[in-house]
Amino acid sequence: SAVISQKPSRDICQRGTSLTIQCQVDSQVTMMFWYRQQPGQSLTLIATANQGSEATYESGFVIDKFPISRPNLTFSTLTVSNMSPEDSSIYLCSANEETQYFGPGTRLLVL
Amino acid sequence: GENVEQHPSTLSVQEGDSAVIKCTYSDSASNYFPWYKQELGKRPQLIIDIRSNVGEKKDQRIAVTLNKTAKHFSLHITETQPEDSAVYFCAAKPTDSWGKLQFGAGTQVVVTP
Repeated sequence: SAVISQKPSRDICQRGTSLTIQCQVDSQVTMMFWYRQQPGQSLTLIATANQGSEATYESGFVIDKFPISRPNLTFSTLTVSNMSPEDSSIYLCSANEETQYFGPGTRLLVL
Repeated sequence: GENVEQHPSTLSVQEGDSAVIKCTYSDSASNYFPWYKQELGKRPQLIIDIRSNVGEKKDQRIAVTLNKTAKHFSLHITETQPEDSAVYFCAAKPTDSWGKLQFGAGTQVVVTP
């Protein structure tokens, strides 16, 4: 199974600022995904991070708000831009090697 | 696209009893069905999965059954223990989804001693 780490584990940010979350996998993986999980809710897919091309966004999520990078097969970043309190959530990355494993999440609070 | 419904939303069981969580899916092309356990403040952890060419799979106290005709699958936990208390999510993956999972809403399981 893939071992996935995320940085930062948590952060408190001011509205209007941006935060970049990093996701590192200990092996090369084809697919990486970014999810958002509101407190007490299920996981909502934000986008698929494609290596060497633009990310593929799900309905309701746009590149200007959540730009994603995937420079290689082990690393991805998600930026939450121009944050508002509604962006307060847990952001999780995952990697799919046949089965999907999750990073520990980044707990974001926007004031 | 795929839609996954999960029931019940909460489940309280006595220690030692069995727990059953049921999910239905809409896309007949789905061929992979994982179950995740998420403890408070932790990441979702894969506990068991099943593929569409199999009807049942067991791993110690955990089992998953799949009915492709009815498009539903279930998680069974036997001899429940307090450490089984967590939120459980089912998910489904269509064959053409490039790995994307559609998750159910989750079931909060509470095992009381």
